[in-house]
Amino acid sequence: AQSVSQHNHHVILSEAASLELGCNYSYGGTVNLFWYVQYPGQHLQLLLKYFSGDPLVKGIKGFEAEFIKSKFSFNLRKPSVQWSDTAEYFCAVNARHSSASKIIFGSGTRLSIRP
Amino acid sequence: DTEVTQTPKHLVMGMTNKKSLKCEQHMGHRAMYWYKQKAKKPPELMFVYSYEKLSINESVPSRFSPECPNSSLLNLHLHALQPEDSALYLCASSQLGWERQFFGPGTRLTVL
Repeated sequence: AQSVSQHNHHVILSEAASLELGCNYSYGGTVNLFWYVQYPGQHLQLLLKYFSGDPLVKGIKGFEAEFIKSKFSFNLRKPSVQWSDTAEYFCAVNARHSSASKIIFGSGTRLSIRP
Repeated sequence: DTEVTQTPKHLVMGMTNKKSLKCEQHMGHRAMYWYKQKAKKPPELMFVYSYEKLSINESVPSRFSPECPNSSLLNLHLHALQPEDSALYLCASSQLGWERQFFGPGTRLTVL
């Protein structure tokens, strides 16, 4: 069965700091990987996704993520965070080519940015 | 229109009440989903509809009853809920499959 781990539960940064949020998954086969963001009081939105091809994917608002297959990781990065990046970030994985597959969300990382 | 709408935004109900949550999308998506999200937790999948047929039921108690009357609408009928069912109920849709889901704002449900 697939699972997703986000080891950082709460990250606090100052504006302009660099960000890296960890995401590891466990599944032996081919996966689709996602990062979703939930801003305070707003609904979940897709930040970026990886299906195949270039393992470095770029998303909205300056975010990017790198798929490292050997490490089963899909870490989210941003070189310089802004106060408006304060939100909950969820990594998610979906096993491809599996009729019984579904999307599994990690436990989430709360990002707080100090102005 | 790239929106998923949900009504009501808030719902307070007693344990003997019957109520329904509604979800609507006009993006032509053929897959629709119900999730439950408790505070500070990730969304948990409840049901998946594919081409208006229930394809996944994540062992959800029968007091939650989904319905997909047509390709744009998804309902969740609630009956005899428990206080621990209080949560944010999210609806989502996608073209078909898990490639990208569009989420609605949710209905915040409180069961007294």
